[in-house]
Amino acid sequence: DTEVTQTPKHLVMGMTNKKSLKCEQHMGHRAMYWYKQKAKKPPELMFVYSYEKLSINESVPSRFSPECPNSSLLNLHLHALQPEDSALYLCASSQDVLAGTVYEQYFGPGTRLTVT
Amino acid sequence: AQKVTQAQTEISVVEKEDVTLDCVYETRDTTYYLFWYKQPPSGELVFLIRRNSFDEQNEISGRYSWNFQKSTSSFNFTITASQVVDSAVYFCALGRRQGGSEKLVFGKGTKLTVNP
Repeated sequence: DTEVTQTPKHLVMGMTNKKSLKCEQHMGHRAMYWYKQKAKKPPELMFVYSYEKLSINESVPSRFSPECPNSSLLNLHLHALQPEDSALYLCASSQDVLAGTVYEQYFGPGTRLTVT
Repeated sequence: AQKVTQAQTEISVVEKEDVTLDCVYETRDTTYYLFWYKQPPSGELVFLIRRNSFDEQNEISGRYSWNFQKSTSSFNFTITASQVVDSAVYFCALGRRQGGSEKLVFGKGTKLTVNP
């Protein structure tokens, strides 16, 4: 089973709201990722968690706050977003068990976020 | 510098035609990984193939085939006898490790439209 689930599928929020995106995988993968994708652009990496620890933050504004409660779950907390943050937010996971190897990432269906 | 170039922004073909999507990469790493992903209109990125830099053997999977040539830094993807369901954006990506974690560098994508 190579499934990554994300909730909600769609989210509309005001600039003063606080909301969270959720991601879950049950493949035993040890790395999880958040990406942001604008229309007609490739995904842009935001955060990487490896073995439940934040290992990469691509200089993402603090209004985005990631959390990894356990190896299967990944959250993205949103606060005081701007309209330009409207995008498709994708979660992914990969095995990441062997140093020096890059494994394929499996992506969820994404959350389409609109900030009004 | 790590870079992936997909020079074809959009391609339109008629069903049953063969089509090749080009991917050229740049890296100074001796060990690296190459990937292709498919993103249909629904939004989810679907993993297609992973190749490491030591394996130049071409791969065939059904109607899909991949040609990896280190001499030209290319990893091209051919769909034989295209079908309407192949319509999607296809991303080529270069995988590397950064800070102990895996990271993908995506090309800008090629939008393939297969017309009936």
